[in-house]
Amino acid sequence: DQQVKQNSPSLSVQEGRISILNCDYTNSMFDYFLWYKKYPAEGPTFLISISSIKDKNEDGRFTVFLNKSAKHLSLHIVPSQPGDSAVYFCAAGVSGNTPLVFGKGTRLSVIA
Amino acid sequence: DTAVSQTPKYLVTQMGNDKSIKCEQNLGHDTMYWYKQDSKKFLKIMFSYNNKELIINETVPNRFSPKSPDKAHLNLHINSLELGDSAVYFCASSLLAGQETQYFGPGTRLLVL
Repeated sequence: DQQVKQNSPSLSVQEGRISILNCDYTNSMFDYFLWYKKYPAEGPTFLISISSIKDKNEDGRFTVFLNKSAKHLSLHIVPSQPGDSAVYFCAAGVSGNTPLVFGKGTRLSVIA
Repeated sequence: DTAVSQTPKYLVTQMGNDKSIKCEQNLGHDTMYWYKQDSKKFLKIMFSYNNKELIINETVPNRFSPKSPDKAHLNLHINSLELGDSAVYFCASSLLAGQETQYFGPGTRLLVL
């Protein structure tokens, strides 16, 4: 039972354009959400997070949008750069001592 | 300066062997985790320790035994390795348990032959 789903295994975007990575979740108890970025042979690195009390959080070129009614969040990267090419994991959690639940990841390729 | 480090990075071993993976964090965090990323690429929590105390133990065979000698270290010992244990194992840490950003180590790639 996948509580966090990233339905696109891969995405290719031209350099300079917007990358939009999507994530859906099923557990309405989730109250915080994170995006991690992973390069080959490295561990995931934290990118950006959002609490369920917000619907948008921005950090430089990265913006996360949360639509609670649709149980959907998205990560926007603009402008996309070749160095953004990586696997992006969406994760969700419930406040307290509960584990994060990760999606399967979306591989982003930014083409120069 | 590596924040979360794991050793070894690669581990190839025979079925039935016992092996350990070590993890250390120098971030001063109270909580540490072990995750398994299997062939389907899902990252799944295995264990979580807060201040050397076990707080999360997901459905993991008891062949897997975590040990936390102090809050900067969380080691994973695996007895009687099986083919299905082949995966990438990631250690992570966070300042506190709960709604906190987790910082991951580089992973240990375990291959059981």
